[in-house]
This record gives sequence, C-alpha cells and structure tokens, in this order.
Amino acid sequence: AQKITQTQPGMFVQEKEAVTLDCTYDTSDPSYGLFWYKQPSSGEMIFLIYQGSYDQQNATEGRYSLNFQKARKSANLVISASQLGDSAMYFCAMRDGYSSASKIIFGSGTRLSIRP
Amino acid sequence: EPEVTQTPSHQVTQMGQEVILRCVPISNHLYFYWYRQILGQKVEFLVSFYNNEISEKSEIFDDQFSVERPDGSNFTLKIRSTKLEDSAMYFCASSEGRDSANTEAFFGQGTRLTVV
Repeated sequence: AQKITQTQPGMFVQEKEAVTLDCTYDTSDPSYGLFWYKQPSSGEMIFLIYQGSYDQQNATEGRYSLNFQKARKSANLVISASQLGDSAMYFCAMRDGYSSASKIIFGSGTRLSIRP
Repeated sequence: EPEVTQTPSHQVTQMGQEVILRCVPISNHLYFYWYRQILGQKVEFLVSFYNNEISEKSEIFDDQFSVERPDGSNFTLKIRSTKLEDSAMYFCASSEGRDSANTEAFFGQGTRLTVV
C-alpha cells in the first residue's frame, strides 16, 4: 500500500536561508509520481513541483528543487533563499502509476515558518 | 492561467440538511477528484471520477456522498444528510489525463463546510 511520511510537523527558518523539508514514501509500484503542494493560511492548495519515478534528474522549479533519492525512497523539498511568503503548510504527495486514474495521497504536512 | 474554481467558498448548514458543493474543473482535463481536509489534519482522498463514472472511492465516501457531472463543465459533490463531523474544507481537483510523466492534479481554492 502507498504511504507518505513527513516527520517534521513544524520548522522555523531565518529569511534568506535554504530549507529542506523531509518526505519519505513507500509503494510497491515501480511507476509513481511525487508531488509537493503548498497550503498558505488562506487554505488553497498550490502545486509546486513534480518528480516521476523514472526521471533521471532531480526536478527544479525556480527556488524549489526536489532531492529525489530513489533507493532511500525519499523526496525532500529544498527551498533556496527562503522568503517571508514561504510561510505555509507543505504537503508531500504521491500517485502510483503514470496515469491520472490513480489517486494522489498526502502526507501529514510540515508547517514552515520564516523568521524575518 | 486555467484554474479549478469552487463555489461557494464557505457554506454553513444545519445538521441533517443536504449540501451540494460545486466545482468547475480545468476545461481540457478528464479526471476529477474530491478531497477533504478536516481542520488541522491531512488531506484525505474521497473519490475520483472519469468518463462519467466513479473510478475509485475511499472508505470515507459512503452512501451519504454522491458525485455528478451534470453538464460539460460542472462537477458536484452532494452530501445527503450532513453530520457535525462532515465539517471540513472540501477540495476539488482535476488532472489532464495524459499517460506521461507529468500528471499533477490542480486543486481549487476549496469550500469550507461548517455543519452546525
């Protein structure tokens, strides 16, 4: 069965520092996708970055990068040069299979707070 | 940029009443989903929908829940007889449905349902 684990319920980081949010996953399917979503206090879910299980390179999107270590089943999110607006809840998520037919499941989230 | 839109943003209802939550997915997307998030908790999958039928549903999605795509644009979640524990943020999401590496789901801004 699929499982996503985020072990950091909360983190505090100084503005402009880099931050790594941890995520480990478990699945028996060799094809899967990994996602990170940001949920600010307003409540919406904002897609940040995606990594496919067969992708050779780590995904990057602006200040976001995904440190994908397949053998360790980890997919950590790295935010470089953090900003006050990065304060939010961050969810790691996974979908089995390379198809939209399968559901996305979410981890319990990490609340990131950026200090000025 | 295309987005998933949900209405209303906030709904208050009496226990035992029926509610319908509405969503307009992104127009060329083929897969639709409902998720819920009880305050402060993780995002939980409810149901996925493709080709006018349910693809998958969770154990949360019992007989009091139903989904419908009444026309070419709307996707609705009906809760027949609301209970206090149905109070949550409900998210609609959609995916393009390509069998490719990039199968992220885009989420609406959510409907906060409060059952009193």
